Amino acid sequence: DTGVSQDPRHKITKRGQNVTFRCDPISEHNRLYWYRQTLGQGPEFLTYFQNEAQLEKSRLLSDRFSAERPKGSFSTLEIQRTEQGDSAMYLCASRPMTVDNEQFFGPGTRLTVL
Amino acid sequence: DQQVKQNSPSLSVQEGRISILNCDYTNSMFDYFLWYKKYPAEGPTFLISISSIKDKNEDGRFTVFLNKSAKHLSLHIVPSQPGDSAVYFCAASSGYSTLTFGKGTMLLVSP
Repeated sequence: DTGVSQDPRHKITKRGQNVTFRCDPISEHNRLYWYRQTLGQGPEFLTYFQNEAQLEKSRLLSDRFSAERPKGSFSTLEIQRTEQGDSAMYLCASRPMTVDNEQFFGPGTRLTVL
Repeated sequence: DQQVKQNSPSLSVQEGRISILNCDYTNSMFDYFLWYKKYPAEGPTFLISISSIKDKNEDGRFTVFLNKSAKHLSLHIVPSQPGDSAVYFCAASSGYSTLTFGKGTMLLVSP
């Protein structure tokens, strides 16, 4: 499968714990995005990488959130001291450097904070 | 402030008929628009897009229309099939920036 993959698909954690999600983009896609989707809403932008550089962060990304893309390939999103409000689907998307802006999404990681 | 609005939370259509999903936007800087389809427990799947220099783009059963003066776009699906039942998201971007999504419209196509 050459699509965007995310791991894990589901994560249940207790409030206050740290969690880390991984995203593997489509090969040679140099742009990688993280979004969050809550019930009844569309995906909301969190942060964006071009290669290994983090170019943009949303105000939704509090200081408890950190994202990395160390070698310009896979990316990780870490949430420290999780809160119940962090419960959501975390989506990763990638796209190549083309004139169009079609982003290709992974299946998401469903986070539940108890 | 919702910059991309999908005012119909749901739409029911019979198989073989036309489905029309609507989307409005407020940001004049948006110049690229996309439609995604999402099944439960899956990520959004890209369907079709349109640049602001066009007013129509067609791909098989799917056509997107853009009315820039009204800041409105629509997705037409003809003919609708039961497998089209899903949540449809409208998204917009400015330049090569991130995507801003609407809240989605759930389409149900009944046999």
